[in-house]
Amino acid sequence: DAKTTQPPSMDCAEGRAANLPCNHSTISGNEYVYWYRQIHSQGPQYIIHGLKNNETNEMASLIITEDRKSSTLILPHATLRDTAVYYCIVRASLSNDYKLSFGAGTTVTVRA
Amino acid sequence: ETGVTQSPTHLIKTRGQQVTLRCSSQSGHNTVSWYQQALGQGPQFIFQYYREEENGRGNFPPRFSGLQFPNYSSELNVNALELDDSALYLCASSTSRDRVLYEQYFGPGTRLTVT
Repeated sequence: DAKTTQPPSMDCAEGRAANLPCNHSTISGNEYVYWYRQIHSQGPQYIIHGLKNNETNEMASLIITEDRKSSTLILPHATLRDTAVYYCIVRASLSNDYKLSFGAGTTVTVRA
Repeated sequence: ETGVTQSPTHLIKTRGQQVTLRCSSQSGHNTVSWYQQALGQGPQFIFQYYREEENGRGNFPPRFSGLQFPNYSSELNVNALELDDSALYLCASSTSRDRVLYEQYFGPGTRLTVT
């Protein structure tokens, strides 16, 4: 699986959009971009994933650049409950290798 | 709530002992993965079970073993516990069809402390 690079931490004001970047310059054509988050002392929570096109669900939006070498997770209106570690992961969805390879992630702190 | 449950929530064991952790998958999920998360680090993949067979393993020694049962629940067994085995153990369930793995849903984890 391709490696990802994320900033170690970022702050965000409550009610504002939080834009979380992720670099995955070695991503291959069959690899998806997944985002998970982990609130303190809980298991990771699936947020969203995408291949080429931008994706949106009730939690977030995922913007993938045209060359697919980077992406941005957008939390449109951050709340204090969005404070968590956010992990960007790339992996092939169609594969016999089913593991998720977590890096260090980005610690996001939403401030009132 | 993901529908994935784990037991126990906390456990304290002594070095050299054996431990069994349990996981109940979300209804309809046929694949279970186990991860170890040391303090301050991201989860590390231990192994995965699909239809009661091991379907991939991370860089963990053989004293880490597992089982998956016909109802798709799972156990993680660790023998000869070491101090470094102290961690949060996470179970994730998912569906696999035609080699496509859908998103994984994690349980709350079991916090294991080895003294």
